[in-house]
Amino acid sequence: ETGVTQTPRHLVMGMTNKKSLKCEQHLGHNAMYWYKQSAKKPLELMFVYNFKEQTENNSVPSRFSPECPNSSHLFLHLHTLQPEDSALYLCASSYGLAGSGYEQYFGPGTRLTVT
Amino acid sequence: AQKITQTQPGMFVQEKEAVTLDCTYDTSDPSYGLFWYKQPSSGEMIFLIYQGSYDQQNATEGRYSLNFQKARKSANLVISASQLGDSAMYFCAMRAKGNEGSARQLTFGSGTQLTVLP
Repeated sequence: ETGVTQTPRHLVMGMTNKKSLKCEQHLGHNAMYWYKQSAKKPLELMFVYNFKEQTENNSVPSRFSPECPNSSHLFLHLHTLQPEDSALYLCASSYGLAGSGYEQYFGPGTRLTVT
Repeated sequence: AQKITQTQPGMFVQEKEAVTLDCTYDTSDPSYGLFWYKQPSSGEMIFLIYQGSYDQQNATEGRYSLNFQKARKSANLVISASQLGDSAMYFCAMRAKGNEGSARQLTFGSGTQLTVLP
C-alpha cells in the first residue's frame, strides 16, 4: 500500500451506533488531519495531529473523538451521530504542518451516511 | 481572518482548450501560501500546484500554471490543453495566520466543478 488509505470507504450507521474510521499513511509524514466535506460546503478542518499530539480541534462536537496512536495511524471514533453528520470524511497527512507550507496528501475518504 | 473565494460553481471547457479557474483570497498575513487541489469523483484530493506569497514568478507544473496577481489578491489556476480526465472538482486553498500570533491554518474555498467536453 502506498499513499494514504482510509477504511471503510462507505459506512451507513444509525444514530445510536458506535463506529470508527481508520486512516493510515505510508509516506513517513508527521502530521495527520481529519476533514469533513459536506455537499455544497467548503472543506472543514476538524482535527490536526503533529507527532501524535493533537494541535487543533476546530470546535468539533464531542460525538467525534479522534485518536492518533502513532504518526502513521489516525482514527475517528463516532458515537450518537446526527443525520447532518452525513458527509465525506477525508484524512490527510503532510511532512510538516500544512500551515507551514507543506503540501497535504489526501486519502480517498469515507462516505458516511447517518440514518 | 483569512478567506478564500471561488465564484465559479461550475465551468465547461472543450477538450484541448485552455481554462482558467478563479480564486481570490483575503488575509492580513504578509507571508502566505496558495494551493490548488483536484478532487475527482472518486473523492481523493490531489495536490496540483503551490505559490508562495514572496515568489517572484508564477508557479507552473506541467499543464497547470498559477496566475498570481498579488495586488488583486487573486490566484487563478490555468489548465492548458484540457483533457477528459481533467473533469473534477477543483479547490483553491490558502495557508495564512488567522490572527496575529496564531498558528497558520489551511483554509479551502468552496470549489469549482470543471467538465471537459469531448
